[in-house]
Amino acid sequence: SQQGEEDPQALSIQEGENATMNCSYKTSINNLQWYRQNSGRGLVHLILIRSNEREKHSGRLRVTLDTSKKSSSLLITASRAADTASYFCATDASWNFGNEKLTFGTGTRLTIIP
Amino acid sequence: DAGVTQSPTHLIKTRGQQVTLRCSPKSGHDTVSWYQQALGQGPQFIFQYYEEEERQRGNFPDRFSGHQFPNYSSELNVNALLLGDSALYLCASSPAPGQGRNEQYFGPGTRLTVT
Repeated sequence: SQQGEEDPQALSIQEGENATMNCSYKTSINNLQWYRQNSGRGLVHLILIRSNEREKHSGRLRVTLDTSKKSSSLLITASRAADTASYFCATDASWNFGNEKLTFGTGTRLTIIP
Repeated sequence: DAGVTQSPTHLIKTRGQQVTLRCSPKSGHDTVSWYQQALGQGPQFIFQYYEEEERQRGNFPDRFSGHQFPNYSSELNVNALLLGDSALYLCASSPAPGQGRNEQYFGPGTRLTVT
């Protein structure tokens, strides 16, 4: 079953604008990860944030995590046409070893309009 | 450095048949996980292999089985195929558990169509 949901399910913005996607989950986690998927192909890992972190940056990406609300957000700044893809959050609830199963949300379909 | 590779890319099977999908992990990784992604959905965890043993399993029937070889590559087998098994099957590799490196690297997937 899905761990949670991304919001919105679909988002269309003009190139150069910022895109924000939200993710909610249900159980306590070790870490939360964001992935990108182009046209039904493999997933590309974007960023990982651990449960004791509140914010993390990587290039044009900014991720926040609020464990009290069981939610995360992904901000993509200065969007480009190449950012058009589906974005998924995935939670890792493992504590003993890590790298155990990931539980994915339902995804946000992002379309950047040139 | 080769990433995760999967074969075949596409596959068409008939209901009731059996299928085997293959995955080679990224160099330096020894843990392999399999996921099923139905159209329009997020991936769902099938199982994970480490040290040639199944370590964890998701909510999938026994028709789904796997194997890991000494070189860390893995196979996913599905018996008695159903129409609902049509999906993108993703393989992910990661370092050994407990190393504090949690990223999983995904292959391009195998698109299975059951008719």
